[in-house]
Amino acid sequence: GDSVTQMEGPVTLSEEAFLTINCTYTATGYPSLFWYVQYPGEGLQLLLKATKADDKGSNKGFEATYRKETTSFHLEKGSVQVSDSAVYFCALNDAGGTSYGKLTFGQGTILTVHP
Amino acid sequence: ETGVTQSPTHLIKTRGQQVTLRCSSQSGHNTVSWYQQALGQGPQFIFQYYREEENGRGNFPPRFSGLQFPNYSSELNVNALELDDSALYLCASGGDRRANTGELFFGEGSRLTVL
Repeated sequence: GDSVTQMEGPVTLSEEAFLTINCTYTATGYPSLFWYVQYPGEGLQLLLKATKADDKGSNKGFEATYRKETTSFHLEKGSVQVSDSAVYFCALNDAGGTSYGKLTFGQGTILTVHP
Repeated sequence: ETGVTQSPTHLIKTRGQQVTLRCSSQSGHNTVSWYQQALGQGPQFIFQYYREEENGRGNFPPRFSGLQFPNYSSELNVNALELDDSALYLCASGGDRRANTGELFFGEGSRLTVL
């Protein structure tokens, strides 16, 4: 079955540091890939997505590139801010199936950014 | 603000009891999915409903059941509660096209504690 593996956290950085959160996946079809973010006290929000190989998703300074050859979708940001402190989830949707609302999530990575 | 609201936000039940969680989807969205998020884990897909019919189910026993109503609100019912059912239950909605690509809008969740 489908699965997503994220680097284990928590990750603690100083403001303006470079961020990478690794994500690899296993899927039988040709999935769409996502990063969702959960800020303290809020629900999950879509951060960015990529729907096919070599696509780059980007939003709020975050980027991730869909790498089919390495089955990866690593999240990066060049300069993090305190407001980026949150839990980040990598997820996939196997578009070859009929479960339209089914996302397979990784276990989440807690990011804390200090001033 | 995703437009997806869930109730109640917190509740405590005892083992063997039954619980009903409710979700009001974002206007115009006809797909709703439910997820279980245990502490420190990523959300796990329970099932989804599309136009009032179950359309996809994860690895959860039949005592987890649901309903979707004509106004696209939804319920998650769990019978014979077990201690391991303690978790945050998330509702997510998406329109036809958005749900097909995995772009879901999540509520803030209902925190269930089973004693």
